[in-house]
Amino acid sequence: QKEVEQDPGPLSVPEGAIVSLNCTYSNSAFQYFMWYRQYSRKGPELLMYTYSSGNKEDGRFTAQVDKSSKYISLFIRDSQPSDSATYLCAMIDSNYQLIWGAGTKLIIKP
Amino acid sequence: KAGVTQTPRYLIKTRGQQVTLSCSPISGHRSVSWYQQTPGQGLQFLFEYFSETQRNKGNFPGRFSGRQFSNSRSEMNVSTLELGDSALYLCASSLGAGTIGGETQYFGPGTRLLVL
Repeated sequence: QKEVEQDPGPLSVPEGAIVSLNCTYSNSAFQYFMWYRQYSRKGPELLMYTYSSGNKEDGRFTAQVDKSSKYISLFIRDSQPSDSATYLCAMIDSNYQLIWGAGTKLIIKP
Repeated sequence: KAGVTQTPRYLIKTRGQQVTLSCSPISGHRSVSWYQQTPGQGLQFLFEYFSETQRNKGNFPGRFSGRQFSNSRSEMNVSTLELGDSALYLCASSLGAGTIGGETQYFGPGTRLLVL
């Protein structure tokens, strides 16, 4: 079983919809949680970074962490075709290494 | 400011050969990390270099090695290539702390390696 589980998708939604992307993890020692976005033929870019349980908002993006359930989410409001990409969650373990989810491919249909 | 650059962008090799990939970090960045990305395994951490020293290492065999030069440029080498080494190899740079504390890493576009 992988330490971080993420549904690879693809997840296809119409433009303007609210998107929910999720990751579950098994290691309770994870303390830092990140969401990256990766466009085709590009490297990942950091979208959101959170430390504690709760919500963090940045424009149309909201990151949510529930440490008790070992579950993190990324919500995208008013989704746009330009949001079509692969979204990867990542977490830092006790050895300060980034452990990655496999990524969810998101398609926003105009 | 120029981003992270990686060369070459695409590479085709045969089993048993060796390959060297290059990464130039963002100017002023001293930490360089390498990752392997495959559809089945996702992103996996290879190693991290800071000030020419390997600071952290993932769970990969000794065929995978790297180094960092005094100008922070980094190379990674894979010897005795296997079919399973086909992947996108990503390099990421950061100012100094690397993954510690979640310091932002900036990724290059990657080198796509195909082993036949």
